[in-house]
This record gives sequence, structure tokens and C-alpha cells, in this order.
Amino acid sequence: QVQLQESGPGLVKPSQTLSLTCTVSGVSISSAGEFWSWIRQPAGKGLEWIGRFQFSGNTDYNPSVKSRVSISVDASKNQFSLTVTSLTATDTAVYYCAREVSVAGYPYWFDPWGQGTLVTVSS
Amino acid sequence: DIVMTQSPDSLAVSLGERATINCKSSQSVLYSSNNKNYLAWYQQKPGQPPKLLIYWASTRQSGVPDRFSGSGSGTDFTLTISSLQAEDVAVYYCHQYYSSNTFGQGTKLEIK
Repeated sequence: QVQLQESGPGLVKPSQTLSLTCTVSGVSISSAGEFWSWIRQPAGKGLEWIGRFQFSGNTDYNPSVKSRVSISVDASKNQFSLTVTSLTATDTAVYYCAREVSVAGYPYWFDPWGQGTLVTVSS
Repeated sequence: DIVMTQSPDSLAVSLGERATINCKSSQSVLYSSNNKNYLAWYQQKPGQPPKLLIYWASTRQSGVPDRFSGSGSGTDFTLTISSLQAEDVAVYYCHQYYSSNTFGQGTKLEIK
């Protein structure tokens, strides 16, 4: 069964850059048709999709954060990563990675999700 | 962006009773070429990630109890729990995948 696990620093300073990694097991992230996403959730608040990548090279980002984020992949480790620059307190959230279920090459719903990792932006 | 609005924000229901959560999208998420509504529902318990319950607005994910059902089309959708169990206490989110991805603000379901 597919499983995802996020990892990264729990605390980062304002203006710095955040790097998170998602390790996938149970399926190769380079498999054709697979989409992989990052989603975040500020404490006590709702869910915000950050962006996705497909191993073919396609990436899509939420316009609200597009200028500050990028997603990359390390196929040899079956991992994909999120980088967020110019951090502010509003980036404090639990960050989830998730597989975006696809049909005929189109991404749809999220399943499964990783357990999430809390990132706090504070000096 | 398609804005998803859930109602109510919170809901308290007695055990064994019906719980109904609504989700309204700012534009239709019905794709005319395949007649499918691009709408999913998730359940999130404290300290856990969201869990997929329903996709295509009404298709239950494998392993989800049949007391959970989804309905609606176009811009108005409903998640119904037919007989509330204690383990159903959670926050529920709707999600549209018609155009990018956006979520509702969540509905907190508690026991009365």
C-alpha cells in the first residue's frame, strides 16, 4: 500500500528558506501518470493546496504562493521535496504531502496523505 | 479560484441521529463531457491527516462505512452520515478538483 512521510525542520526563522521532503513507499514516484502534491494547514484552519508535480516534468502551483515555492524530485530515493522562500509567520502550518489520484492522466482527489509535519516560522 | 463554502461551521448531533453537512461552490464543478461532479469529501480527526471518504460527489472510497453518503450536483453538495457514531467526531472538508484544487473551510461535527 502507498505510504508517504514528511520530514524537515520544525522551526525556521522569518525570511529564511524552508525545505521539506516527502518519502514515498509502496509505489515509484516515477510511475507514469502519478501526481504528487503538497498541502498545508495552519493551526485550527483549513487546507490550502500548494502545488504538484508529475514525474514527466509537469509542475503546477497555487498562484497565491507560486512566486515563492518549488517542487523537486529525487527518484533514486523515491522522494519529492518542497522549497518555500522568504518565509513569514503566515507560513506557519502543518505541511502534508499526498498522492493525487489520477485517471487517464488527469489529477483528481488526494489519497493517501502523509501524517504531516509542523513548521513554525519564528525568530 | 473556485470558492467552496461549507455550512454549518459546526454541528452537534446525538448518537444514532442523522448529520448533514453542506458544501456550495462558487461555480459549477460538473464537467459536462462526462457528467461527473469534481467534488470530494474528507474526514479529519484531531492530530491526523485528512482521510478520503467520497469522490465524484457520491462514490464512497473503499472501506468507508455505508452510513456515509454524498449527494448533489453542479454547485450544491451534501455529505450525510445516516446514524452518527462516536468515532465520526471530526472535521469534514469538501474539495473541488474541477479547476486546480480548493477546499471548504471545514465543518466540525460533535456529539450532542
